[in-house]
Amino acid sequence: DTEVTQTPKHLVMGMTNKKSLKCEQHMGHRAMYWYKQKAKKPPELMFVYSYEKLSINESVPSRFSPECPNSSLLNLHLHALQPEDSALYLCASSQDRTYQETQYFGPGTRLLVL
Amino acid sequence: LAKTTQPISMDSYEGQEVNITCSHNNIATNDYITWYQQFPSQGPRFIIQGYKTKVTNEVASLFIPADRKSSTLSLPRVSLSDTAVYYCLVAQGKGYSSASKIIFGSGTRLSIRP
Repeated sequence: DTEVTQTPKHLVMGMTNKKSLKCEQHMGHRAMYWYKQKAKKPPELMFVYSYEKLSINESVPSRFSPECPNSSLLNLHLHALQPEDSALYLCASSQDRTYQETQYFGPGTRLLVL
Repeated sequence: LAKTTQPISMDSYEGQEVNITCSHNNIATNDYITWYQQFPSQGPRFIIQGYKTKVTNEVASLFIPADRKSSTLSLPRVSLSDTAVYYCLVAQGKGYSSASKIIFGSGTRLSIRP
């Protein structure tokens, strides 16, 4: 199983809402990532978890709050987002956090903030 | 961090060989070169990775000259389904410093015509 799953596929939320994005992998990978991708732009790294510990936070605003409950799950909690946060949010995983490792990406959650 | 430069777009025809070149003048000694493919509304997918000379797999070949300041992704006999964005990445080798990260370049939008 080389699949990373993400739910939901689409999400529409207001600026006062709280929602969560979920990511799951069962490949035994110990590094997991969140990326943000705007239309016609490359993915931008947001967070990296290594062995369930946050190892990189790319100066992401606090309205995005990541969580790694166990080695298979990664969540991204959203609160008080802005319309400019509308984007495709991608989750990825790799064997470990050495960056030559292949990253396996999920299909993404397309988020629209109204 | 080594940045990459790729052509913004390329066009080709079915059955042709396509070569996409990436420039990475500031590549460090222990950096690897990795290419990903991304279809619309999907996560990127790993294509190939190399360190020097030539690497070939069932999908593509990667040519890296001795100075490693550039690399060329070669797609043999492309089909319509190869229409996608192709990203060249330079990923730092084994190491766990906070500076170790992957940065996606702007990507090359490849369009294949019948």
